[in-house]
Amino acid sequence: DGGITQSPKYLFRKEGQNVTLSCEQNLNHDAMYWYRQDPGQGLRLIYYSQIVNDFQKGDIAEGYSVSREKKESFPLTVTSAQKNPTAFYLCASNYGATRYGYTFGSGTRLTVV
Amino acid sequence: GQQLNQSPQSMFIQEGEDVSMNCTSSSIFNTWLWYKQEPGEGPVLLIALYKAGELTSNGRLTAQFGITRKDSFLNISASIPSDVGIYFCAGQLRFISMDSNYQLIWGAGTKLIIKP
Repeated sequence: DGGITQSPKYLFRKEGQNVTLSCEQNLNHDAMYWYRQDPGQGLRLIYYSQIVNDFQKGDIAEGYSVSREKKESFPLTVTSAQKNPTAFYLCASNYGATRYGYTFGSGTRLTVV
Repeated sequence: GQQLNQSPQSMFIQEGEDVSMNCTSSSIFNTWLWYKQEPGEGPVLLIALYKAGELTSNGRLTAQFGITRKDSFLNISASIPSDVGIYFCAGQLRFISMDSNYQLIWGAGTKLIIKP
């Protein structure tokens, strides 16, 4: 079955560490997205990529970095520059036509310890 | 940035009750999407709306694209325990720049809780 897979499900980070969240899709989707979700808030866009080797900053890109070397993969690195990284991170993908919505992964919960 | 006002923020309902929630904005949208998120999971698309006035159903769920293009509502009839979760609206602006072409605007969510 086609889908979008995020790993790990839970991640713990010490202060000052960089961590990388994985996102892989086998839906043959062109576009991929990373969102951050905090309690009581909507989804906030971190980065998105429309094609391989190209990506754009979203509303809250500071302290994060991404790469898009393969169509299927869009990893997100949470760097030590992100001062409040504890959150639920969601990866999504689609064919590039936003009006048809996204397919989401099941998320990664990142906690700073 | 652009915002969607989603209300209510949370709802406590009895099983069997009907539920209604809505999203409003000062901007005009050409697409409204309604998603449901269960705890610890990603949102799942429930209903997509593309034309002003459009009324679409998915089982016990019904959503409408407002005539002004600035609002949308979602109704759930005869709620059951598996309806609990957070419901999000999301929209694509009618007038978009290249920078926003691939972005959705999200509401803050309505948390649905079934009273025991």
